[in-house]
Amino acid sequence: EIVLTQFPGTLSLSPGERATLSCRASQSLRYNFLAWYQHKSGQAPRLLISGAFNRATGIPDRFSGSGSGTDFILTINRLESEDFAVYYCQQYGTSPRTFGQGTKVEIK
Amino acid sequence: QVQLQESGPGLVKPSETLSLSCIVSGDSISNYYWSWIRQPAGKGLEWIGRISGTGNTEYNPSLRSRVSMSIDTSKKYFSLKMTSVNAADTALYFCARGLIHEYGGLGWFDPWGQGTLVTVSS
Repeated sequence: EIVLTQFPGTLSLSPGERATLSCRASQSLRYNFLAWYQHKSGQAPRLLISGAFNRATGIPDRFSGSGSGTDFILTINRLESEDFAVYYCQQYGTSPRTFGQGTKVEIK
Repeated sequence: QVQLQESGPGLVKPSETLSLSCIVSGDSISNYYWSWIRQPAGKGLEWIGRISGTGNTEYNPSLRSRVSMSIDTSKKYFSLKMTSVNAADTALYFCARGLIHEYGGLGWFDPWGQGTLVTVSS
């Protein structure tokens, strides 16, 4: 099973700042098959990125994904109030599909 | 716009069977992989398994011995059964549509339901 480690666990930032979230895989991901999700309590998780860098429909361009192999990054430029949430990465190159433990982006 | 809604009992007794359903609206249920994912309180997300429109299933090996899924394409819903539950199965359970990646396997999840809380307790 591929283990995904996300860091930091919590990121305290102010609106307008940039958030850099990391996701490290225990082995190289086939075809860079990695997705990112945003989750707010009481809501359905929301797909942000698939294929490491492809933004989902309707996702603002301040969200961007990068990386390859075992190291991936989600960058959120110019944080807005609605961006404070928990973010998860997920790999889909190998079964079972697995998720990272999440990074909480909170208001400083 | 595809929407998913989970339903099922919020309380299940230890050793009994957990049964959940997910109703799909706004799209065909035949052409995707439909998944269940759970999140225990304070913990991360765990993929439970998936079922295709033809009924082909794949389960997480950690749960395979206790899990089964079914699908009713005419009524546009799919279901999860988990036997012999215990306190560790207490979690928020999500259903989600699994997209098929370019090599034919289960890819990412979009959209998700809002989740239903299942508590295992006597």
